[in-house]
Amino acid sequence: AQTVTQSQPEMSVQEAETVTLSCTYDTSESDYYLFWYKQPPSRQMILVIRQEAYKQQNATENRFSVNFQKAAKSFSLKISDSQLGDAAMYFCGLAAGNKLTFGGGTRVLVKP
Amino acid sequence: GAGVSQSPSNKVTEKGKDVELRCDPISGHTALYWYRQSLGQGLEFLIYFQGNSAPDKSGLPSDRFSAERTGGSVSTLTIQRTQQEDSAVYLCASSLMNRDGQPQHFGDGTRLSIL
Repeated sequence: AQTVTQSQPEMSVQEAETVTLSCTYDTSESDYYLFWYKQPPSRQMILVIRQEAYKQQNATENRFSVNFQKAAKSFSLKISDSQLGDAAMYFCGLAAGNKLTFGGGTRVLVKP
Repeated sequence: GAGVSQSPSNKVTEKGKDVELRCDPISGHTALYWYRQSLGQGLEFLIYFQGNSAPDKSGLPSDRFSAERTGGSVSTLTIQRTQQEDSAVYLCASSLMNRDGQPQHFGDGTRLSIL
C-alpha cells in the first residue's frame, strides 16, 4: 500500500512572495515517481512538476521547484514569486506500480 | 492536439437511476484511469486500464460500479442504482503507458449530482 499525506489544508501567500507546500509519502516500491498537480476552479488537473525517485537533483519548472528528501520521504513544492493565477488546489501524487495515489490537497490563496 | 474529453460535463439524476459517464482519452495513450473526487477532497482511484490487459478494479467502491474500455480507446464508467453518496466529480486520465512515470493527462471531469 502507498500513502500520500498533505498536512496543510490551506496556505495563504502574498503576491510576489514564496510559499512552500509540504508532502510526505510512504511506499514499499523502490522505483517510483512523484508529482505535483494543480487544480484550479475549472476542475482540470494540470501537471506542475515531476520528480524521478532515482534522481537526487531536485526538479525545477520555472517558478516551481521541489525539495525531494528521499530518506525522509518528503516532497515539498516551492512556489516563488507567487501570482494570482497560482491560486488553486495543489495535489501531491505518488506513482508506483500501476497506481497514482494523491494526497488530500492544499488550497493556495494568493493575496494581491 | 485534443486532450482528454469527458462527457457529460454535468449530470443530475434521481436516486436509483443508472448513469453512464464517458471518457475519450488522448489518441495513442494506452493507459486510462478513473478517479472520484468528492467535494473538497482528494482523488480516489477507481479503476485502471492498460492496453489489452485485464483492468485493475481494486478501487471500485461497490459492485454497482463498473467500467469498460472498447477498442482500447473510449471508456465508459457505469454506476447502477445510484445513491446520494455517489455524488462527486468523476475524473478520467490517460497516459502513454504505465511505465517510466509517464504523467497522467486529465479531463475536465463529470460532476454527478444524485437527488
